[in-house]
Amino acid sequence: GNSVTQMEGPVTLSEEAFLTINCTYTATGYPSLFWYVQYPGEGLQLLLKATKADDKGSNKGFEATYRKETTSFHLEKGSVQVSDSAVYFCASSYSGNTPLVFGKGTRLSVIA
Amino acid sequence: DTGVSQDPRHKITKRGQNVTFRCDPISEHNRLYWYRQTLGQGPEFLTYFQNEAQLEKSRLLSDRFSAERPKGSFSTLEIQRTEQGDSAMYLCASSFGGASLTNTEAFFGQGTRLTVV
Repeated sequence: GNSVTQMEGPVTLSEEAFLTINCTYTATGYPSLFWYVQYPGEGLQLLLKATKADDKGSNKGFEATYRKETTSFHLEKGSVQVSDSAVYFCASSYSGNTPLVFGKGTRLSVIA
Repeated sequence: DTGVSQDPRHKITKRGQNVTFRCDPISEHNRLYWYRQTLGQGPEFLTYFQNEAQLEKSRLLSDRFSAERPKGSFSTLEIQRTEQGDSAMYLCASSFGGASLTNTEAFFGQGTRLTVV
């Protein structure tokens, strides 16, 4: 089966700092990859996704590139804001048609 | 449509009692998923439906757990004889997809937090 491993948090950054949250996957084949975000008191929301190798997903200044050679889908943002404070989950799904498999989540705190 | 809604938002129950949660998916979505999330962990898949058919169940879903989606719309998740280890956030999600269709984005509800005392 497939699985996802992401870096453990918490991660604390100052506003405008560069963010990287690492995510690697194990799978037989090529799953679709996702980043979900959970803001305080809210449900999980899709942040971005990529469905094949070398695809780049992007949204709200966040980016992640599907790297087949390193089986990775690291989340990056060039300049974080206090409003980005949340828990971020990496996830995978075969062809987008099977249930999502999530990593453990990484809590990000951005301080002004 | 207001998105995926779950009821109740919080439930406190005594060990050994039965509890039932409800999920109302986005109306045009044919797929409905149940996940469980404990503190410090990511959501773990429990089961999912395509229309009224339950297509897959995780080994996490013990025989005390049962889920239904009788008319292919809302779903219920029942836990019988609750145990303290059942304390968790139970999440519901919905999407549109099928064998020959790429699944659309899964939208999540805010969850039902269960505390077994």
